[in-house]
Amino acid sequence: EIVMTQSPATLSVSPGERATLSCRASQSVSSNLAWYQQKPGQAPRLLIYGASARATGIPGRFSGSGSGTEFTLTISSLQSEDFAVYYCQQYNNWPVFGQGTKLEIK
Amino acid sequence: EVQLVESGGGLVQPGGSLRLSCSVSGFTFRSYAMHWVRQAPGKGLEYVSAISSNGGSTYYADSVRGRFTISRDNSKNTLYLQMSSLRAEDTAVYYCVRPTYGYESSGYYTYWGQGTLVTVSS
Repeated sequence: EIVMTQSPATLSVSPGERATLSCRASQSVSSNLAWYQQKPGQAPRLLIYGASARATGIPGRFSGSGSGTEFTLTISSLQSEDFAVYYCQQYNNWPVFGQGTKLEIK
Repeated sequence: EVQLVESGGGLVQPGGSLRLSCSVSGFTFRSYAMHWVRQAPGKGLEYVSAISSNGGSTYYADSVRGRFTISRDNSKNTLYLQMSSLRAEDTAVYYCVRPTYGYESSGYYTYWGQGTLVTVSS
């Protein structure tokens, strides 16, 4: 089974600054990588699919990059509503999620 | 508007059984594979099971294989998860999710239900 490892576990960033979250796969998943945002008490929300395509309605400050085993989610200028937990997920085969990165206010 | 509404969660004793349902609307249910994903309290997300659009193929995580059964009724636009021999580690919020069209056992998830909590405890 592919293992997805996210780093860091917790990221403290000030509003208006840039946040960079990483996700690494234990073997290549091509570009079959999605990112989700989850707030307390809510279901996850799809942000990015195909490693870099924004889902419908997702603001342009969210961007994804990478392929193979190394992926990055960048939030260019953090808004208050962006502080949440972020998960990556590979769907190259049996879906596997990363353990999550908690983005908190610095 | 796509809607996925889970029901059937609750408190059950170890070794017990429970059946979850997911009623869907807003899309052609019979055209899509459907999945279940769960999240233990304070933990991450785990793919549990999947079923093809016509119900002919099913898939299970190793952690639930032999104990859980996924099924669907396309005439009722409803997905099910029959859970038996439940363990404490099955305690989680269970989400009904729709993978993107074209995926059967895999895919990414645009649409999620609100989730239903299953608690396994004596």
